[in-house]
Amino acid sequence: QVQLQESGPGLVRPSETLSLTCTVSGGSITNYYWSWIRQTPGKGLEWIGYIYYSGFTDYHPSLKSRVTISRDMSKNQVSLNLRSVSAADTAVYYCARSGFWTINWFDPWGQGIPVTVSS
Amino acid sequence: EIVLTQSPATLSLSPGERATLSCRASQSVSSQLAWYQQKPGQAPRLLISDASNRATGIPARFSGSGSGTDFTLTISSLEPEDFAVYYCQQRRESLTFGPGTKVDIK
Repeated sequence: QVQLQESGPGLVRPSETLSLTCTVSGGSITNYYWSWIRQTPGKGLEWIGYIYYSGFTDYHPSLKSRVTISRDMSKNQVSLNLRSVSAADTAVYYCARSGFWTINWFDPWGQGIPVTVSS
Repeated sequence: EIVLTQSPATLSLSPGERATLSCRASQSVSSQLAWYQQKPGQAPRLLISDASNRATGIPARFSGSGSGTDFTLTISSLEPEDFAVYYCQQRRESLTFGPGTKVDIK
């Protein structure tokens, strides 16, 4: 059974880069899409972007200029970089598997990691 | 962007009662809609995909229906573990979520 685990700093300074890693266990990232999603009390659940194992990516239009999602096949990991963060980027960040060969639903999800943007 | 609206915002019911949750899309999403359940402190869990297909391991009391712009999630008889927040999500155009419906104990 595939499991996802997010890791990274829980506190990021304004204007810096938020960097998170999702480690996949119990299965390979090959042939699947992998997404990052965030959740805030104000905006709810927001899809950030996804990466296919081949390296193809797509991002939410409102975040596209600040986001990069990458993968490391050797480590079975997917990573998120969000640049120039502000308090509005404070959220719980989730990674989720999102489709086999084609983009699909989010299943399963990691447990999530809370990230606060503050000086 | 396709906007999803969920109603009601909160549904107060007793165990054993039937729950009917609504999700409406700002434009047609065909059957490209899913439902998720989220409990406090946990990640969302996929319940229903493609409007009406139960995900693996999901009890039969959960059912989904609808197509186009109007969708319904029905819980036929609420169990204590079903009190949670439910989200709909579409993948017809980009990927967006509804604001959620909280099902709480009356």
